[in-house]
Amino acid sequence: GNSVTQMEGPVTLSEEAFLTINCTYTATGYPSLFWYVQYPGEGLQLLLKATKADDKGSNKGFEATYRKETTSFHLEKGSVQVSDSAVYFCALSEGWMDSSYKLIFGSGTRLLVRP
Amino acid sequence: NAGVTQTPKFQVLKTGQSMTLQCAQDMNHNSMYWYRQDPGMGLRLIYYSASEGTTDKGEVPNGYNVSRLNKREFSLRLESAAPSQTSVYFCASSRGQGYNEQFFGPGTRLTVL
Repeated sequence: GNSVTQMEGPVTLSEEAFLTINCTYTATGYPSLFWYVQYPGEGLQLLLKATKADDKGSNKGFEATYRKETTSFHLEKGSVQVSDSAVYFCALSEGWMDSSYKLIFGSGTRLLVRP
Repeated sequence: NAGVTQTPKFQVLKTGQSMTLQCAQDMNHNSMYWYRQDPGMGLRLIYYSASEGTTDKGEVPNGYNVSRLNKREFSLRLESAAPSQTSVYFCASSRGQGYNEQFFGPGTRLTVL
């Protein structure tokens, strides 16, 4: 079945460092790919998405490119801030016959940014 | 526009007790979902409702039941709580019909003693 694998955390960085969080997937068909962020005590928020190969999703300085040849969707940010400390989830969307969509999540990667 | 709301935020139950988690969305979305989040396991789908009047099982449905009360509301019921159901529960909704982005509520933290 479809699955998502993320790098294990926690990832600890100093402010203004470069961030990469790796995400690879296994899927049949052509899923959409997502990054969600969860701040402490809150629900998940959509950070960015990409719907087809070579698409680049971007938001708030974060970017990720849908790479079909390597089945990857790595999250990057050029200069992290303390406020970026959170748990990041990679997910893929598989369609259903009933037009609803199931999200398959990775296990999450905790990011801690120190001043 | 409140988005997705969930009640309660926290709950402690004893083994064997029952309770219902409530979820409502005000975005006129067709599809709604219940997930549980456990450490190191991401989110796992419990049940979903593709549209008003339909519900179906997800990855981990055992021990749970759901009701899609109307287009806005989707409740999750634990009939006889077990310690293994200690988790954080998230409700989500999506427009459906080709739109696959899901919007999440703030979660309910449930402890079963």
